[in-house]
Amino acid sequence: QVQLVQSGAEVKKPGSSVRVSCKASGGTYKNFGISWVRQAPGQGLEWMGGIIFVFGLATYAQQFQGRVTITADKSTRTAFMEVTSLRSDDTAVYFCAGGDDAEIFDNWGQGTLVTV
Amino acid sequence: EVVLTQSPGTLSLSPGQRATLSCRASQTISSIYLAWYHQKPGQAPRLLIYGGSRRATGIPDRFSGSGSGAVFTLTISRLEPEDLGVYYCQQYGSSQWTFGQGTKVEIK
Repeated sequence: QVQLVQSGAEVKKPGSSVRVSCKASGGTYKNFGISWVRQAPGQGLEWMGGIIFVFGLATYAQQFQGRVTITADKSTRTAFMEVTSLRSDDTAVYFCAGGDDAEIFDNWGQGTLVTV
Repeated sequence: EVVLTQSPGTLSLSPGQRATLSCRASQTISSIYLAWYHQKPGQAPRLLIYGGSRRATGIPDRFSGSGSGAVFTLTISRLEPEDLGVYYCQQYGSSQWTFGQGTKVEIK
């Protein structure tokens, strides 16, 4: 069973950047992948992008291209998501999700609240 | 981008009743790339169904997924009080993965 643990809540000023981490433990690591999903207050889920650790290549939702960077450190099995040029409407809970099959979100982090 | 539209917006039912949630895609997708999630207030979502109809580990058999083409359904055969929350469908068949806007299930 994969466990995902995210970094803590952040408070940021408009125009700044934020970096959230997601550390994985357990699993077989064969096709291991992590996606980032955000949820604005009272709103639904929005896929931001994801990365497969073996390949290290990230894909992004079009609306986040250029402002979001997803990376992974294979040695520590940690994924990172950075958002630049923060705006007030980036205030949301950011979840990491994924596991041994990158397409199946069968494991979720606890969520990280980012307040801008 | 594949847009997923869920209906109804809110479903209010009594325990023991059957719940039918719909997810309609803006274009045809393979059912093997369709998943359903359940989110309770203040919690992370939980995977219920993937591959259109495969129950995730630990999910009771009162949950079932079906559908093909552009119309998919999540059925909860007998509602339990703990089934309250918001249900989301998600497609991962294109390069741009998307979620539906959610259906809120209320327990009377």
